Amino acid sequence: KAGVTQTPRYLIKTRGQQVTLSCSPISGHRSVSWYQQTPGQGLQFLFEYFSETQRNKGNFPGRFSGRQFSNSRSEMNVSTLELGDSALYLCASSSGTSRTDTQYFGPGTRLTVL
Amino acid sequence: TQLLEQSPQFLSIQEGENLTVYCNSSSVFSSLQWYRQEPGEGPVLLVTVVTGGEVKKLKRLTFQFGDARKDSSLHITAAQPGDTGLYLCAGRMDSSYKLIFGSGTRLLVRP
Repeated sequence: KAGVTQTPRYLIKTRGQQVTLSCSPISGHRSVSWYQQTPGQGLQFLFEYFSETQRNKGNFPGRFSGRQFSNSRSEMNVSTLELGDSALYLCASSSGTSRTDTQYFGPGTRLTVL
Repeated sequence: TQLLEQSPQFLSIQEGENLTVYCNSSSVFSSLQWYRQEPGEGPVLLVTVVTGGEVKKLKRLTFQFGDARKDSSLHITAAQPGDTGLYLCAGRMDSSYKLIFGSGTRLLVRP
């Protein structure tokens, strides 16, 4: 089985711009979660989508949004970028049907905001 | 403040030594997982524990879930350089699929 893929792997943007990140889950997985990882805050949960619906949401401002398509692929959008948005953005997929199921992580997208 | 606090934050040890990493919370978790992350990669699941008091062993790694399901520990016996990485605990509460991560423990095992 192919693993979770994320594109692009690296991205450089300037303040005020917007960015869209993409995540392709493992085939058959219906849940996709997004996380922000920074040295200071660690791994912070952004949101989770299950069958095209947002099922859980973290404590991030409305500038962070996402969506999931019918093939379970997911996109995350950040508008009006700020310097503090520089981070590694990770997505993870799982079956989404059990609270003990395994989340499989992609390699992440490293976003740098200048 | 982190819901899950890990200690220590950093650990540098010699090959062959033993170590323990702790993951503590004031909240109850229905399940707890341990992940390891290496540079340039996403975290990889090591184990899931779901029952208070549960102990699981994975070769030289021993994981324990506290009786009250508020804490967990990871013990590595005879550490090897290949154990180097960022260790993360993560938990789910009863009402949610949301996975809450701990602050992480960065381990360096020197040959």
